[in-house]
Amino acid sequence: AQSVTQLGSHVSVSEGALVLLRCNYSSSVPPYLFWYVQYPNQGLQLLLKYTSAATLVKGINGFEAEFKKSETSFHLTKPSAHMSDAAEYFCAVSATAGGSQGNLIFGKGTKLSVKP
Amino acid sequence: IAGITQAPTSQILAAGRRMTLRCTQDMRHNAMYWYRQDLGLGLRLIHYSNTAGTTGKGEVPDGYSVSRANTDDFPLTLASAVPSQTSVYFCASSRQFQSTDTQYFGPGTRLTVL
Repeated sequence: AQSVTQLGSHVSVSEGALVLLRCNYSSSVPPYLFWYVQYPNQGLQLLLKYTSAATLVKGINGFEAEFKKSETSFHLTKPSAHMSDAAEYFCAVSATAGGSQGNLIFGKGTKLSVKP
Repeated sequence: IAGITQAPTSQILAAGRRMTLRCTQDMRHNAMYWYRQDLGLGLRLIHYSNTAGTTGKGEVPDGYSVSRANTDDFPLTLASAVPSQTSVYFCASSRQFQSTDTQYFGPGTRLTVL
């Protein structure tokens, strides 16, 4: 069965600092991985996804993530945090059990705070 | 294009009452999903539909039912609400029921069961 673990339920950075949100996955087959962002009182929207093409994936708002099979990781980074990046971030993996391939399994989320 | 709409935005409900959360999408997506979001637990899948006329159970289906009579609508029903069903509910859709497809989310319904 697939699963994801997000390390750190809350991360705080200063404006202009590097953002690093950690995600490790468990999967018995090559995974498809996603990062979603949720702004306060809104639904989730896709930041980026890995679907077995390039291992370095670029997303919206300057975010990127690198798929590392040897480390079973898909960490999300942004070189310079902006106040508008304050949100909750979810890592997710596609389920691959028979008949459920469209379903996503989400991590518990990491809330990012950005200090001025 | 509205994308996904959910109604109501929020609701306070007495335990034991029946409640239907509505979800409509205008993107002609084949697959639709219902999740609940609880603090510290992330999003958990309740039910899904890979195409009109078919539905499936997710991780936490007990106490919930769904129907998919057409492509656009995917209502979620709580037959007899209990306090543990207090949560924020999100409807989502994707073009196809495939591992690589992006899911698009509605704005959510905040439900409180007293």
